[in-house]
Amino acid sequence: DIQMTQSPSSLSASVGDRVTITCRASQGISNYLAWFQQKPGKAPKSLIYAASTLHSGVPSNFSGSGSGTDFTLTISSLQPEDFATYYCQQYNYYPRTFGQGTKVEIK
Amino acid sequence: EVQLVESGGGLEQPGRSLRLSCTASGFTFGAYAMTWVRQAPGKGLEWVGFIRSNTYGGTTEYAASVKGRFSISRDDSKSIAYLQMNSLKTEDTAVYYCTRGDTFVTHWGQGTLVTVSS
Repeated sequence: DIQMTQSPSSLSASVGDRVTITCRASQGISNYLAWFQQKPGKAPKSLIYAASTLHSGVPSNFSGSGSGTDFTLTISSLQPEDFATYYCQQYNYYPRTFGQGTKVEIK
Repeated sequence: EVQLVESGGGLEQPGRSLRLSCTASGFTFGAYAMTWVRQAPGKGLEWVGFIRSNTYGGTTEYAASVKGRFSISRDDSKSIAYLQMNSLKTEDTAVYYCTRGDTFVTHWGQGTLVTVSS
């Protein structure tokens, strides 16, 4: 199975900060990578697919990049509603696999 | 508006069975793959499996942790995807989400809690 490793596991940041989360695949997955956001007690929300394409309605302060094994999710200016846990997922191989999550907390 | 509503969760004993339903509305259900994802209490997301649309044979894929015990099916006439869970284990305790799509997941249900305990 493809292992997806996110770093860091958690981070503390302030409103307005630039935040970068890294996701590494154990083998190449081209650009078949998605990012999801989950707030406590809620279902996940789809943010990005194909490594860098934002789903409809996702604010433009989110961006994704990468290909192969290394990917990043960047929040250019953290907003209060962005405090959440973020997951990457590869969908190049079965079984689909998620990263362990990165919790973004308020500093 | 796309809506996915899971149902059928609850408390069940180890070794027993449970069937979850995902009722869809607001889109042409038969045109989409449907995926199940679960989340154990306090843990991350785990992909369970998915079913292709009948255009692509309606075939399924599963995670190793559930293969042989769980099965996914669909009834396009009712716009429902099912997750049949047999031989339940305590480690199957989780919130189960259905999602629209496989390679292009756009919508998630609100989830249904399954608790496996004696």
